Amino acid sequence: GESVGLHLPTLSVQEGDNSIINCAYSNSASDYFIWYKQESGKGPQFIIDIRSNMDKRQGQRVTVLLNKTVKHLSLQIAATQPGDSAVYFCADRGTGRRALTFGSGTRLQVQP
Amino acid sequence: EPEVTQTPSHQVTQMGQEVILRCVPISNHLYFYWYRQILGQKVEFLVSFYNNEISEKSEIFDDQFSVERPDGSNFTLKIRSTKLEDSAMYFCASSGTGGYDGELFFGEGSRLTVL
Repeated sequence: GESVGLHLPTLSVQEGDNSIINCAYSNSASDYFIWYKQESGKGPQFIIDIRSNMDKRQGQRVTVLLNKTVKHLSLQIAATQPGDSAVYFCADRGTGRRALTFGSGTRLQVQP
Repeated sequence: EPEVTQTPSHQVTQMGQEVILRCVPISNHLYFYWYRQILGQKVEFLVSFYNNEISEKSEIFDDQFSVERPDGSNFTLKIRSTKLEDSAMYFCASSGTGGYDGELFFGEGSRLTVL
């Protein structure tokens, strides 16, 4: 079936470094992609989204890149801070759907 | 800032018992969802609800699950006869004010423990 998956389960970075979290998706018909952050014991929190007619979108300290050719999504976090430590999920939405399909998650650990 | 609220935050129940999880979505949203997350795993879609009916459901959402919007503010998930494998965090989410709006807003979750 269609799925969204992540390359790495855990990413450890030094405070101040840039972080890159990667995600592969399989549904070529997906038209919307989103990154969520989940802190321990809390619900997913929106970070940034991108539609399939774009290949890059920037937010505050975060950038999402979409490569539709290889069905790859990445989240870049600039100047990573201890508060960025969390599990990050990518999710996609197939055309005509409202619900999101989540990937497996990557744990980001920021070392002081 | 508007938020999705869920109750209870944690419920412990015996296998075979019925459980109702409650959610208050963001007030002007039109689409409502339940997701679940087994400890350490990904967030899994259960069901979406729009215009007082189920619009989509996953294979997980079998006959033991049901959803209801009993009034203008609450959205509930009922599990009729809980099993051990139903133990998980259940997240409610809402989205949409009519136009294109992809972001889902999630609540803090209800942890269900089935003994």
